[in-house]
Amino acid sequence: DAKTTQPTSMDCAEGRAANLPCNHSTISGNEYVYWYRQIHSQGPQYIIHGLKNNETNEMASLIITEDRKSSTLILPHATLRDTAVYYCIVLSSMYSGGGADGLTFGKGTHLIIQP
Amino acid sequence: ETGVTQSPTHLIKTRGQQVTLRCSSQSGHNTVSWYQQALGQGPQFIFQYYREEENGRGNFPPRFSGLQFPNYSSELNVNALELDDSALYLCASRMTGESYEQYFGPGTRLTVT
Repeated sequence: DAKTTQPTSMDCAEGRAANLPCNHSTISGNEYVYWYRQIHSQGPQYIIHGLKNNETNEMASLIITEDRKSSTLILPHATLRDTAVYYCIVLSSMYSGGGADGLTFGKGTHLIIQP
Repeated sequence: ETGVTQSPTHLIKTRGQQVTLRCSSQSGHNTVSWYQQALGQGPQFIFQYYREEENGRGNFPPRFSGLQFPNYSSELNVNALELDDSALYLCASRMTGESYEQYFGPGTRLTVT
């Protein structure tokens, strides 16, 4: 799986959009970008994933650059409950079919939402 | 729909002992993975079970073993506990064949003294 690079920590004001960047310059054509987050003392929570096109769900939006070497997770109106460690993970599509290498979590970005 | 549950919540064991952790997968999910999360680190993949067989493993020694039952619930067994085994152990379930959208349980905090 391609390696990802994320900032160690970020601050965002409550009510503003939180934009979390992820660099994955060695991503290959069949690899998806997944985002998970982990709120303190809880298990990780799936947020969103995408391949090429931008994706949006009830939690967030995922913007992937045209060359797919980087992406940004956007939380449109951050709340205090969005304070968490956010993990960007690149994963081959083959794994969705039952391949079993698991998710490779790096250190992630510690997002702190300020009141 | 019932989420992923794990038991016990906390556990204290002595070095050299053995421990069994349990996980009930989310309803309808047939694949279970286990992760170890040391303090301040991201989760590390231990292994995955599908159809009651281990079908993938991370960089963990054989003293980490598991089981999956016909109802898709799972156990993680660790023999000959070491101090470095102190961690949060997370179970995650998903439906094989779909995306890697996994659902994690709250974890079991294991302390080895």
